[in-house]
Amino acid sequence: EPEVTQTPSHQVTQMGQEVILRCVPISNHLYFYWYRQILGQKVEFLVSFYNNEISEKSEIFDDQFSVERPDGSNFTLKIRSTKLEDSAMYFCASGRDQANVLTFGAGSRLTVL
Amino acid sequence: QKEVEQNSGPLSVPEGAIASLNCTYSDRGSQSFFWYRQYSGKSPELIMFIYSNGDKEDGRFTAQLNKASQYVSLLIRDSQPSDSATYLCAVNYNNNDMRFGAGTRLTVKP
Repeated sequence: EPEVTQTPSHQVTQMGQEVILRCVPISNHLYFYWYRQILGQKVEFLVSFYNNEISEKSEIFDDQFSVERPDGSNFTLKIRSTKLEDSAMYFCASGRDQANVLTFGAGSRLTVL
Repeated sequence: QKEVEQNSGPLSVPEGAIASLNCTYSDRGSQSFFWYRQYSGKSPELIMFIYSNGDKEDGRFTAQLNKASQYVSLLIRDSQPSDSATYLCAVNYNNNDMRFGAGTRLTVKP
């Protein structure tokens, strides 16, 4: 069964530091997403990416965040100058088409101290 | 506003009963609707999707969509303890903007 792979599974960082979360989507998928879930809260949409550019982004996805597809397989989320409230589980997801049937990765837990 | 509303529960049903989960959404133009299941500490996993008004059945699961009422539901027949999880309703607002509700926590008691 194809899967979405995320690294690291857990990252601890100091407030103000930059973090990069990495994702390898399913190989024949064309649509890529980042979501976050603060502990005990809802899954929140951050951004979607298609054809090497941002397709949609939410109110949460401000200048602190950026996404990149640096090569044919990786999809990254960069968070600059992390804040305590950025502590959350970050999920990457990919989909084959615009029907948006998404497959999620296991998540990267970010803890900001 | 791109709202997806769910009753947070918890919803508790006995084993073998039917569990009924409901969801409403704000954008009348939405075209595709999804139910995901999330076990504690895990990522969401797709149960089923529905695009057209009416019912769609897949095994013990039935999704129901009423676009006029902006309402989606999920019925789980013959509920099992392994169905105990949080059920997330998701709505595709634009082609690539999919929003989740807060989820309904379901407990199936043996």
